[in-house]
Amino acid sequence: GQQLNQSPQSMFIQEGEDVSMNCTSSSIFNTWLWYKQDPGEGPVLLIALYKAGELTSNGRLTAQFGITRKDSFLNISASIPSDVGIYFCAGVANFGNEKLTFGTGTRLTIIP
Amino acid sequence: EPEVTQTPSHQVTQMGQEVILRCVPISNHLYFYWYRQILGQKVEFLVSFYNNEISEKSEIFDDQFSVERPDGSNFTLKIRSTKLEDSAMYFCASRGGSEQYFGPGTRLTVT
Repeated sequence: GQQLNQSPQSMFIQEGEDVSMNCTSSSIFNTWLWYKQDPGEGPVLLIALYKAGELTSNGRLTAQFGITRKDSFLNISASIPSDVGIYFCAGVANFGNEKLTFGTGTRLTIIP
Repeated sequence: EPEVTQTPSHQVTQMGQEVILRCVPISNHLYFYWYRQILGQKVEFLVSFYNNEISEKSEIFDDQFSVERPDGSNFTLKIRSTKLEDSAMYFCASRGGSEQYFGPGTRLTVT
């Protein structure tokens, strides 16, 4: 089946630093989404990308839909303590059903 | 802001018992989904539901699983005879346009 590989698996950063993570696949996706999950809670949608090459921002978050449609990255600028959590990319391969294939996750920890 | 709600937040059941997990999707959404997440792993698709029927299901969604929209607001996932490996977080999601919104999940523990 389709797989999305995220890197890095985990990150330890200091407050105020910028963060970059990415998601790659061997197959094409038509939509990319980025979610954040806090412990014991459901994924919360951060950014959605619909066109190859698209660059979209949401506050301190910026994400891009790779031109090959096989990758996406998420940047977080000037990290704050509430950014701690697990970030998942998710892709939609087929329009219509729109089932999500999730990546393996990047765990972000902020060192005091 | 409208949100997806799920009940119960935690369900403990014995192996072989039936469980029903409940979801109330966002009210004007037409597409509904169930996903599960085994502890420490990624979120996995189980089933999608549109126009009162299953539109796609994964290989995880075997004959022990069923979904139903019994009225205009609830969307349920039933596991007929639970197994230990069914222990996981189960998330409901709904979609109106292109974006799926997730509920807070039900933690199912099978003992």
